[in-house]
Amino acid sequence: DAGVIQSPRHEVTEMGQEVTLRCKPISGHNSLFWYRQTMMRGLELLIYFNNNVPIDDSGMPEDRFSAKMPNASFSTLKIQPSEPRDSAVYFCASSLARNRDSGNTIYFGEGSWLTVV
Amino acid sequence: GENVEQHPSTLSVQEGDSAVIKCTYSDSASNYFPWYKQELGKRPQLIIDIRSNVGEKKDQRIAVTLNKTAKHFSLHITETQPEDSAVYFCAATINTGNQFYFGTGTSLTVIP
Repeated sequence: DAGVIQSPRHEVTEMGQEVTLRCKPISGHNSLFWYRQTMMRGLELLIYFNNNVPIDDSGMPEDRFSAKMPNASFSTLKIQPSEPRDSAVYFCASSLARNRDSGNTIYFGEGSWLTVV
Repeated sequence: GENVEQHPSTLSVQEGDSAVIKCTYSDSASNYFPWYKQELGKRPQLIIDIRSNVGEKKDQRIAVTLNKTAKHFSLHITETQPEDSAVYFCAATINTGNQFYFGTGTSLTVIP
């Protein structure tokens, strides 16, 4: 398996522009996560999906952020309008939730390095 | 929700020495505790994990211990090598969902 695939790997955009980050989870995985990583705040969970349904979006910073998962093999994280403080590495991750009693390892993508100027 | 604390935030050791990173968690329902290693500019990658039904797990130079009563778990790296230099994250999950709670990370530097 190719692992979790994210695009773009790097993006530089101007403040106010729309940014769309894309993720393809590992085939067969049923949970997908979006994390944001910065030096100041570490790894923050933004949202996660289970079977394409958003389960917890309490980490989404504000209405400028939105995430979708239209099918099991694709998800997007959109920022509109973008601001300089959104500059961070955005990681997508996926896992296979087998049952309530198993810990489910999550696998990270390579990340999307976003710079908003 | 769960609160995971990780210490120290930075750690420097001489090559060949041991390194220990500690994490505490708050929710007694947590039952799975993975450790991730993140090299500079790369993604976090799982290096070892432990479930709540065991107290210790080893994989070559890496070991993890879990104390459920005290709600803490630790990563032990023996005979450290320069390539062990990275940021290490602990995490805890609750079996009722798939929510992972990460510690704030420990930046480990192994000095040759």
